[in-house]
Amino acid sequence: SQTIHQWPATLVQPVGSPLSLECTVEGTSNPNLYWYRQAAGRGLQLLFYSVGIGQISSEVPQNLSASRPQDRQFILSSKKLLLSDSGFYLCAWSSGADQPQHFGDGTRLSIL
Amino acid sequence: AQSVTQLGSHVSVSEGALVLLRCNYSSSVPPYLFWYVQYPNQGLQLLLKYTTGATLVKGINGFEAEFKKSETSFHLTKPSAHMSDAAEYFCAVSLNNNDMRFGAGTRLTVKP
Repeated sequence: SQTIHQWPATLVQPVGSPLSLECTVEGTSNPNLYWYRQAAGRGLQLLFYSVGIGQISSEVPQNLSASRPQDRQFILSSKKLLLSDSGFYLCAWSSGADQPQHFGDGTRLSIL
Repeated sequence: AQSVTQLGSHVSVSEGALVLLRCNYSSSVPPYLFWYVQYPNQGLQLLLKYTTGATLVKGINGFEAEFKKSETSFHLTKPSAHMSDAAEYFCAVSLNNNDMRFGAGTRLTVKP
């Protein structure tokens, strides 16, 4: 069966520091991969999605970036975090247009 | 572009009462529709999905939803609420799955 792993579960970082969140999927090949941010009490905001290795689409201009170095690995990065980057970050994968997205357990990021 | 509106950011019911969470969508073509549940500090878990075929869709944990094209609605129901149903519920609409749009969420409280 397919599983998705996301780490770390929680992270506290100072303003201006770099960021790297990792997400990996097991049990499937060539998945669509997604990064979302969920602010407190809000819905999900799509940040990036990828349909293949090295293919990244950005939905919202910001100081975050994403990379897909391997088929089932998706990384969210920042060179300099802002206070507004605080939130709950969720990675998800999907196998097709009519299939649901499956989510990881999320990373709660707090910026001090 | 598609969008989804969830009516009511908070819904409170008594244990054993009917649960009704409302979702209306906007789409220029027949959409795929989903309901997800999120427990605190966790990712989203798929409850049910509508792609094509039968308009009444049954999901996990006793939930079901009915796709009504004429009303552009996909309301989530459960005949009898359980304490464990307390969570946040998200409706989502997708046309090609690379652009899944989520509602702002409805927090369900179940009173004993």
